[in-house]
Formats: sequence, structure tokens, C-alpha cells
Amino acid sequence: NAGVTQTPKFRVLKTGQSMTLLCAQDMNHEYMYWYRQDPGMGLRLIHYSVGEGTTAKGEVPDGYNVSRLKKQNFLLGLESAAPSQTSVYFCASSRELASLDEQYFGPGTRLTVT
Amino acid sequence: AQSVTQLGSHVSVSEGALVLLRCNYSSSVPPYLFWYVQYPNQGLQLLLKYTSAATLVKGINGFEAEFKKSETSFHLTKPSAHMSDAAEYFCAVSVDTGNQFYFGTGTSLTVIP
Repeated sequence: NAGVTQTPKFRVLKTGQSMTLLCAQDMNHEYMYWYRQDPGMGLRLIHYSVGEGTTAKGEVPDGYNVSRLKKQNFLLGLESAAPSQTSVYFCASSRELASLDEQYFGPGTRLTVT
Repeated sequence: AQSVTQLGSHVSVSEGALVLLRCNYSSSVPPYLFWYVQYPNQGLQLLLKYTSAATLVKGINGFEAEFKKSETSFHLTKPSAHMSDAAEYFCAVSVDTGNQFYFGTGTSLTVIP
């Protein structure tokens, strides 16, 4: 049981390049989330999904897109990377609503945009 | 709007001493409150949560937190710090049965031998 995994672990992009971060969970959770973590700012929710085929915006969605084509996967895309998107990205999943249930986090992806 | 304030971005305690990490929230309705811990180079793990049941919540690794509505606080405590407690601790709030969480800015705990 791997829990929540994230690919890749590290990435360096040039401004304007695009990339996709992959999150996978093997716990059959309905809910999945993407956060970014920046120094002194804690974690902020980018997008989330309440089930296969559904997505919704979080607190800081601009510059990102997401897709949930399969229940176990949640993809985060950056179409045109900017230095302001340099951050550590965490994916999480939960069985029930996040306000009621534990979120399980992946190990993170450290992204640098130059 | 709801928010979370963690007082003290860095806290140092001696091994065996009391750990007290502060969290205050602002919410006009009863909140759901959480403490998560992040060890170096890892994702977050749930320590404990308050969801309107008992006001004193016990979590893993000997941590506990008390919900005080009058003080709008949810401080995290542990009677005796261990070296393994060194980590970043995040308080989080959600005020409805939704999926939007608001994390505090985190408190880095250092345990001095």
C-alpha cells in the first residue's frame, strides 16, 4: 500500500515552459487536493476534486489546471511556468470531506522556475 | 472569512520540557480544527482534530489540544518533548462541511538535548 505518491520529486523549468505533476493514490479515496507550500505562508489550496471527472478551484488557482480522469490520479498542469510558481507542491487525498476526515499527503514535488 | 494564526514561527524547548504551540482562529461559526506535523522532506501527517465533540482532543505521539471557544484558540501541547518531536507543525481550520482548508503559516519546533 503506497498511499499517495507524486511524480516527479524535483523539477527545474524555464519561464514559459509547461509541465504536469502526477499524483496517484491507492486508497480508493474520493477526494483529492493540490497544495503549494511557500516559506512563511503555510499550505494553500490550488485545486481539488470531489470525485472522478470533477474539479474545483481552491484559494490560489490562477496559472494552474487540473484533471481527474481516473479516480486514483489527480494531475496538476502548469501551461506557462512563471518564477512565482517556484514552490513545493503537495498532493493529498481523503476518504470523506477534508473538514471531517484526515488528509493523506504525498512526499511533495519541489519545483524551481528560472 | 476564516483564518488561522500561529504565534511564533520558531519554538525551541529542551528535551523533557513542556511543548506549547499556539493557534488562534477567526470564524463566525463553529470551526473544525486540526493539527498536522511535517517531518523534514516529508508530507504532512495528521496529529489530531476537533470536530465539535470533546473539547480536549488527544492525538498521536502524546500530543493533545484544547478547543477554547471563548479564546478562539486551539493550542497544541505535549508534557515532555522528545528529540523526535522536532518538526514543523501546522494548525488548520475549516468552517463548514466543505473541502477548503486554511492552514496556518507553521511553527518550527526545535528540541535541544
